[in-house]
Amino acid sequence: KNEVEQSPQNLTAQEGEFITINCSYSVGISALHWLQQHPGGGIVSLFMLSSGKKKHGRLIATINIQEKHSSLHITASHPRDSAVYICAASGGGADGLTFGKGTHLIIQP
Amino acid sequence: DAGVIQSPRHEVTEMGQEVTLRCKPISGHDYLFWYRQTMMRGLELLIYFNNNVPIDDSGMPEDRFSAKMPNASFSTLKIQPSEPRDSAVYFCASSPTSNGAEAFFGQGTRLTVV
Repeated sequence: KNEVEQSPQNLTAQEGEFITINCSYSVGISALHWLQQHPGGGIVSLFMLSSGKKKHGRLIATINIQEKHSSLHITASHPRDSAVYICAASGGGADGLTFGKGTHLIIQP
Repeated sequence: DAGVIQSPRHEVTEMGQEVTLRCKPISGHDYLFWYRQTMMRGLELLIYFNNNVPIDDSGMPEDRFSAKMPNASFSTLKIQPSEPRDSAVYFCASSPTSNGAEAFFGQGTRLTVV
């Protein structure tokens, strides 16, 4: 069974700071997902990647397959980025997603 | 498409009562997943269906939990009898395939069992 670990668990930063959230997994996967959950509770898929790097606006996701590690970066962070960011792995011998515990991000003005 | 639709959004029920959660996946998606989110355990897969057939229900916590998918556009998750420890947010998600495809989540049902 895949183990997905995220760090940090909680992160508070000032507006404008560069944010990095890390995710590691224990077995090979078919894809790594980054999800965002706002205080209202809905979950939105930000990225799905199996290699390299993807960029969407101020968000960048990278993955290193050999090291079984992925990072989510937020440039020029803004209070509206405050949310829980969840890393999830698909594949690795199981269907569905295996989730990390999430990173609770607060961006202060 | 309106996305994955779950109902109800909130449910409060008394211990021992039957609870039924409903989900309408995105049309054309072959896979449907039921997840549960709690403070202690985070998000966990309960069960998933492929083309309306249950494939893996190993995440279903107890026999009190059951799920059905009578057709491609509707699934239910039932808890009978409900217990306070079942209180959680239950998410339904659908995907065109299971192996690495993007998952689309419903808004979730917040269940409180008192």
